Amino acid sequence: AQSVTQLDSHVSVSEGTPVLLRCNYSSSYSPSLFWYVQHPNKGLQLLLKYTSAATLVKGINGFEAEFKKSETSFHLTKPSAHMSDAAEYFCVVSDVNTGNQFYFGTGTSLTVIP
Amino acid sequence: DAGVIQSPRHEVTEMGQEVTLRCKPISGHDYLFWYRQTMMRGLELLIYFNNNVPIDDSGMPEDRFSAKMPNASFSTLKIQPSEPRDSAVYFCASSPGQGAWDTQYFGPGTRLTVL
Repeated sequence: AQSVTQLDSHVSVSEGTPVLLRCNYSSSYSPSLFWYVQHPNKGLQLLLKYTSAATLVKGINGFEAEFKKSETSFHLTKPSAHMSDAAEYFCVVSDVNTGNQFYFGTGTSLTVIP
Repeated sequence: DAGVIQSPRHEVTEMGQEVTLRCKPISGHDYLFWYRQTMMRGLELLIYFNNNVPIDDSGMPEDRFSAKMPNASFSTLKIQPSEPRDSAVYFCASSPGQGAWDTQYFGPGTRLTVL
């Protein structure tokens, strides 16, 4: 069965400091993993995705994530937070056995302190 | 492409009324998904279609909810009769459907308030 655990419901960082949003997954097969961002009152936007190519994935707005199979993790990082990064972030897992069905984490709310 | 289009963006209705939410997927996408987002339950998949055919509707809460996709460019989600607990943001998403790795593209959502 597929599932996603986002380990922190809220993360606060100061502007200019690194961001780490943690995600662990459970999947019976080779998963595809995604990070989406949702700004207030907006739809979900794709940040990046992993699909069994390079384990370090670079996304938009300076975000990246590393797939670690041994740790079943797909943590999202950014070297330097910007005020515009304040949003809700969702980790998502999917695999071939579920077709295109996505399994969403519960989300991590990122606050950036000026 | 304009992306996934949803209408209306906001809907306020009274309990017992019928509500219809609309979605136009990205042209050429074979999959269409309806999600509901609430503070209590997060994002929930309600139903999804492949080539206009409903594949999995196990997430539809009850018989008051129904969804149709009469053609490749249009889908509706209907609630009849509506109840206050249906208040949520409803998202439509579409995907090219080449495989499990395919990205889903989300619309801006419809914020539904049932009084």
